[in-house]
Amino acid sequence: QKEVEQNSGPLSVPEGAIASLNCTYSDRGSQSFFWYRQYSGKSPELIMSIYSNGDKEDGRFTAQLNKASQYVSLLIRDSQPSDSATYLCAVNLNGGYQKVTFGIGTKLQVIP
Amino acid sequence: EPEVTQTPSHQVTQMGQEVILRCVPISNHLYFYWYRQILGQKVEFLVSFYNNEISEKSEIFDDQFSVERPDGSNFTLKIRSTKLEDSAMYFCASSGGQGLNIQYFGAGTRLSVL
Repeated sequence: QKEVEQNSGPLSVPEGAIASLNCTYSDRGSQSFFWYRQYSGKSPELIMSIYSNGDKEDGRFTAQLNKASQYVSLLIRDSQPSDSATYLCAVNLNGGYQKVTFGIGTKLQVIP
Repeated sequence: EPEVTQTPSHQVTQMGQEVILRCVPISNHLYFYWYRQILGQKVEFLVSFYNNEISEKSEIFDDQFSVERPDGSNFTLKIRSTKLEDSAMYFCASSGGQGLNIQYFGAGTRLSVL
């Protein structure tokens, strides 16, 4: 079964620090990778998408992908209390318009 | 900014009853999805829909589930005979048109089966 693995946390970081969230996936054929943020009781909100090896930056967020290691990460710089949420890693096979498979999510707590 | 709209936000039903959850996808999107999330668990894929037919479904999506696009804007999920274990958040998502499978989610419908 194709899996996406994340540490459920909680991951606690002080305000202003860098939060590092990690994800591994089992299917080597996976092509598209996403990070969603989910506040308690709310729906997933897309933060980043990444498709090729390396880094992709968007504001305070950097997604990193290493297909050889089947590893994707999200760095949040200058963490704010409003970043406190669960971060879901999601993976899509083949790059087509297929389902995405979600990890359990890592709960991030940013301490003021 | 375009968004996926879901109604109702909360649905309470008795076990064995039929429910219909409604979604209005983003208007120029072509691919539609239903996911569910049981409290404290992963977001799980149920079904994807394209060109008026199911393109993929999960093991969860058994005969008690069905989807329909009754008109040009709505996308519905029907659960024929609800069970207690169907209690969950149900999310509709849509994507398409730009060559990238970026799925945008609605706010969800919380289904409570009593």
